[in-house]
Amino acid sequence: GAVVSQHPSRVICKSGTSVKIECRSLDFQATTMFWYRQFPKQSLMLMATSNEGSKATYEQGVEKDKFLINHASLTLSTLTVTSAHPEDSSFYICSADLGSTDTQYFGPGTRLTVL
Amino acid sequence: TQLLEQSPQFLSIQEGENLTVYCNSSSVFSSLQWYRQEPGEGPVLLVTVVTGGEVKKLKRLTFQFGDARKDSSLHITAAQPGDTGLYLCAGFVDKIIFGKGTRLHILP
Repeated sequence: GAVVSQHPSRVICKSGTSVKIECRSLDFQATTMFWYRQFPKQSLMLMATSNEGSKATYEQGVEKDKFLINHASLTLSTLTVTSAHPEDSSFYICSADLGSTDTQYFGPGTRLTVL
Repeated sequence: TQLLEQSPQFLSIQEGENLTVYCNSSSVFSSLQWYRQEPGEGPVLLVTVVTGGEVKKLKRLTFQFGDARKDSSLHITAAQPGDTGLYLCAGFVDKIIFGKGTRLHILP
């Protein structure tokens, strides 16, 4: 199957700082990538759809100025959590599809802890 | 509002037993996927079903897509401790939506 990586796997930061998370498709080109967050023992919540070369589409209730998404190439999308606060602590997961199928392939996730 | 309901939410059974988990919706999906997620990791795709009535087998796991493409089931035969995890179904219409998952724990 297709491989998606994320970096870093874990990050701890102080309140008020910004954190960037990278999502890469390793063996395929991804026109579209997706960003999710997952709280403990809950399912995935779609935050935004990232389209290469254009602006991301954010789900209702997700602040686009707080969660900046950049999809500069067909293999890389980044999520920047700006001015992070403890309530932003969560597990952030990205995924990518192959374009011609409905199936998404997920990265291993990034655990963000904001102190 | 499209909604995927999974049941049961939690299931704890002994090794060797059989089990079935369900994924139901009032919406019709063009495809449905099952994922398994272990703590601290991203979901891993198990199967994609596309055709109403389709049955797919993956070793001890049997997946079925309902005839009307609104529901699906996952049956595990002779469960093993390695089957422990969160099982998520996801349906695709114009975008993918996830159920809340079934947390499965297999006791050795």
